[in-house]
Amino acid sequence: AQTVTQSQPEMSVQEAETVTLSCTYDTSESDYYLFWYKQPPSRQMILVIRQEAYKQQNATENRFSVNFQKAAKSFSLKISDSQLGDAAMYFCASGGRKSSGDKLTFGTGTRLAVRP
Amino acid sequence: NAGVTQTPKFRVLKTGQSMTLLCAQDMNHEYMYWYRQDPGMGLRLIHYSVGEGTTAKGEVPDGYNVSRLKKQNFLLGLESAAPSQTSVYFCASSPISGGTYEQYFGPGTRLTVT
Repeated sequence: AQTVTQSQPEMSVQEAETVTLSCTYDTSESDYYLFWYKQPPSRQMILVIRQEAYKQQNATENRFSVNFQKAAKSFSLKISDSQLGDAAMYFCASGGRKSSGDKLTFGTGTRLAVRP
Repeated sequence: NAGVTQTPKFRVLKTGQSMTLLCAQDMNHEYMYWYRQDPGMGLRLIHYSVGEGTTAKGEVPDGYNVSRLKKQNFLLGLESAAPSQTSVYFCASSPISGGTYEQYFGPGTRLTVT
């Protein structure tokens, strides 16, 4: 069974500053993958970034990057140069390659507010 | 390409009524999923399907049934709605393993059971 824990229900950041959202996970899979999804007020789930566990290099997508600590089972999301449009709910998710149907397990989410 | 679409977007039911939520995807994905989202609980998997004609239970399947008669459609049924089923329902799809494992989500259906 997989579990994903997001310990920060809410975070706030000043526009143009940097913020880090935390995520820890637990899995029995030896080969797995991790995601951050963004859910703005429109409710649409949008993929922000993905990381495959066998890759040591941290994933980066423009202003978004992750700090993947495999031994600690930690997968934090860093947002640089925060923009008003980054205000949203952020969900961390994990999935195992061998899991039937490639099912994902989601955390409870972190609501990010961006102050102008 | 419409991606993943859900019908309806909003619905209000009375306790005991039944309804079906329709999910359709035009990306030829093998896998499809139904989630519910409740405040403070993230997304929880209700049922999923790894191909046409096959379905399986997820984390919270009780009170729901599903069918996947066509590859592009995945139906979620509530036979006798209960207030505890008030939630936002999301459908998602993904290509078979070998890809990026990303799930593509529909816009969601807000269901209220009174």
